[in-house]
Amino acid sequence: DVKVTQSSRYLVKRTGEKVFLECVQDMDHENMFWYRQDPGLGLRLIYFSYDVKMKEKGDIPEGYSVSREKKERFSLILESASTNQTSMYLCASGDSTEAFFGQGTRLTVV
Amino acid sequence: AQSVTQLGSHVSVSEGALVLLRCNYSSSVPPYLFWYVQYPNQGLQLLLKYTSAATLVKGINGFEAEFKKSETSFHLTKPSAHMSDAAEYFCAVTQNSGYSTLTFGKGTMLLVSP
Repeated sequence: DVKVTQSSRYLVKRTGEKVFLECVQDMDHENMFWYRQDPGLGLRLIYFSYDVKMKEKGDIPEGYSVSREKKERFSLILESASTNQTSMYLCASGDSTEAFFGQGTRLTVV
Repeated sequence: AQSVTQLGSHVSVSEGALVLLRCNYSSSVPPYLFWYVQYPNQGLQLLLKYTSAATLVKGINGFEAEFKKSETSFHLTKPSAHMSDAAEYFCAVTQNSGYSTLTFGKGTMLLVSP
């Protein structure tokens, strides 16, 4: 059974904190993605990676960075969390024909 | 460039009624198309996908969708709604050549009443 695991379901962080969201996949996929989901806006791509140590900006990269040191792990980093980054974050991995999603991390920045 | 438009942020049906969720896409190259479902506080689950084989695609839970190139549409249907179908549905598009990312529509919330 395919699996994408996000390290936390719920997180509460303070403004200005550095936040790490972790994602691990067990399907040996080369491609991994971070999306942000907000009501009425659907899913918006933050960053993606098509290989280890490779990363590409998505549609809304500002305020975020990523790290992919190993094929199975893709981390999203909020360098200095702000209240407008309160959202649901979804990690995915996949190939050109399908993407598999994790359960999501609901982040609240106070 | 690619984009997806889902008509209607909310659709309400009665249990047993036909479900029709609309999706139109734009893509400069032949597309792959997807429907995902999301239950409350869950990730996205793939319902079905079109990858340039048969234009009528059958998915899980009795859903199906038809790719119509002339209309640039990929509408999702189910003959008879169940209460358990209440969820948010997302249409997505990607290119069918080489590496590409998924572009999602804004989602349609399906409400099912008894």
